[in-house]
Amino acid sequence: EDKVVQSPLSLVVHEGDTVTLNCSYEVTNFRSLLWYKQEKKAPTFLFMLTSSGIEKKSGRLSSILDKKELFSILNITATQTGDSAVYLCAVGRGSQGNLIFGKGTKLSVKP
Amino acid sequence: EAQVTQNPRYLITVTGKKLTVTCSQNMNHEYMSWYRQDPGLGLRQIYYSMNVEVTDKGDVPEGYKVSRKEKRNFPLILESPSPNQTSLYFCASSFLRGTEAFFGQGTRLTVV
Repeated sequence: EDKVVQSPLSLVVHEGDTVTLNCSYEVTNFRSLLWYKQEKKAPTFLFMLTSSGIEKKSGRLSSILDKKELFSILNITATQTGDSAVYLCAVGRGSQGNLIFGKGTKLSVKP
Repeated sequence: EAQVTQNPRYLITVTGKKLTVTCSQNMNHEYMSWYRQDPGLGLRQIYYSMNVEVTDKGDVPEGYKVSRKEKRNFPLILESPSPNQTSLYFCASSFLRGTEAFFGQGTRLTVV
């Protein structure tokens, strides 16, 4: 059975800290891995990764994929209170590419 | 502005009363999908559509129907809602299958 596991489930840090969120997966016919940020509304797209070892960056956020070890990490440097959210990892699989989501990591950044 | 629009945002209904949640996107995306989000279970795909008149089941399709008569619209139909369909529902769209880049604002459905 396909699955996506995120860790930790929740995390509390202080502003300025650096955090690493983890996503491991077991799926048939991997196509892509996506990261989203979800505040009290719809998920917003952060990154899509398809190739191993190529880091994607957007400001203080970065992500990398390891297709051999079947995991990805999302790094957030110099965290701010506005980074507080649930971060979701999803994997596209099969010929149709439809997504399976992890349960998310809830990040709380304290001032 | 590029967006996915769902309606209604909130809905309370009674068991067995048919309802439709509408979803519309203005980006000419071919791929659209529906998810439900439940505490402890995360986002789970209900149905998806690769293009007009092409739909397929996701991971939790039981009790739901969809249609894709026009490219921009992808309504979710609950023919006979039950309390276990109480959930937060999201519609999503993208150019490429399995790369949901835009989500609607969500519909919180309560079935009593």
